[in-house]
Amino acid sequence: DIQMTQSPSSLSASVGDRVTITCRASQSISSSLNWYQQKPGKALKVLMYAASSLQSGVPSRFSGSGSGTDFTLTISCLQPEDFATYYCQQTYSTPPTFGGGTKVEIK
Amino acid sequence: EVQLVESGGGLVKPGGSLRLSCAASGFTFNSYSMNWVRQAPGKGLEWISYISSGGSTIYYADSVKGRFTISRDNAKNSLYLQMNSLRVEDTAVYYCAREITMIVVVNDYWGQGTLVTVSS
Repeated sequence: DIQMTQSPSSLSASVGDRVTITCRASQSISSSLNWYQQKPGKALKVLMYAASSLQSGVPSRFSGSGSGTDFTLTISCLQPEDFATYYCQQTYSTPPTFGGGTKVEIK
Repeated sequence: EVQLVESGGGLVKPGGSLRLSCAASGFTFNSYSMNWVRQAPGKGLEWISYISSGGSTIYYADSVKGRFTISRDNAKNSLYLQMNSLRVEDTAVYYCAREITMIVVVNDYWGQGTLVTVSS
């Protein structure tokens, strides 16, 4: 199975900050990398797919980059509604696997 | 509006069984593959099973193979997960998720989950 390693596991930031989360795959996954946002009590929401494609309806302050083994999710100007946990997921091979998550908290 | 609503969770003893359901609406259910993903308390996400749109292709995670069975009833717009021989480590919130291919495979809609607690 492909292991996905996310960092950091948590971070504290202020509204307006630029935030970057990284995700590393244990082998090359091309661009088969998705990012999800999870808030307590709410359904998971896909933010980015294919590493750098913004899902319809997601604000443009979210962006993604990378290919091969190293990927990043960037929130350019953190908003109050962005405090949540973020997960990367590879769908290059079965089983699809997720990173351990990054909890973005209010500083 | 796409909606996925899980049900059937609850408290069960080790070795017991439970059947989860996922009711789908707002889209043509029989055109989409579906997945079950779980999340243990305070932990990350773990994919556990996949079923193709027509039900002919099925995959399981090693952690549940031989104990869990995924199925679907396209006439009822429903997805199921039969869970047998449950273990304490199966305690988790179970989510159903729609799968779509947008350049790559993506789970574009998720339910809010149903909690399964395995405890004596």
